Amino acid sequence: GENVEQHPSTLSVQEGDSAVIKCTYSDSASNYFPWYKQELGKRPQLIIDIRSNVGEKKDQRIAVTLNKTAKHFSLHITETQPEDSAVYFCAAKGFNKFYFGSGTKLNVKP
Amino acid sequence: DTEVTQTPKHLVMGMTNKKSLKCEQHMGHRAMYWYKQKAKKPPELMFVYSYEKLSINESVPSRFSPECPNSSLLNLHLHALQPEDSALYLCASSQGQSSYNSPLHFGNGTRLTVT
Repeated sequence: GENVEQHPSTLSVQEGDSAVIKCTYSDSASNYFPWYKQELGKRPQLIIDIRSNVGEKKDQRIAVTLNKTAKHFSLHITETQPEDSAVYFCAAKGFNKFYFGSGTKLNVKP
Repeated sequence: DTEVTQTPKHLVMGMTNKKSLKCEQHMGHRAMYWYKQKAKKPPELMFVYSYEKLSINESVPSRFSPECPNSSLLNLHLHALQPEDSALYLCASSQGQSSYNSPLHFGNGTRLTVT
């Protein structure tokens, strides 16, 4: 089955800096890659996603890149703000299941 | 607004109790999921229903029993749970289990404590 690895497990940045979270996957059949943000005590919320036929997608301060050949995808957050502090999960979808990474706790220091 | 509604928000139950978690969505999604999430861990898949039929059971103990009465509702019946079953139980839905680029929409979860 699919194996998704996510790094780093924790990330501390200064407000205004950029943050990058990286994920790798093992199954070349995976074709959809969403990213979820989960604030403490709340549900995971979709923040951005990318399909396997797209290399990059951007939504304001958030961007995701996908390298199908290398089987890795990354989340980029620019101009970080304290409200970006949360746990971020990457995921890869195969035929009928989502496989989650282990999560990255992002701390944005004011 | 949360498009997937879960009740109750919190539940405390003894190991001999029987309780049920409920989930409802009105987005016309045909796939519904139960996930279990422990602190500081990713959601862990338990069950998937596709078009009201059980599609995936991730070897979940029989003390957890899912039910999908119709395309909008999903229940999780709990019986004889163990303290280690204490966790956040998340319901989710998607357009279709095998739909291309269809994300999961999560409910707010039920925080379950087994005493």
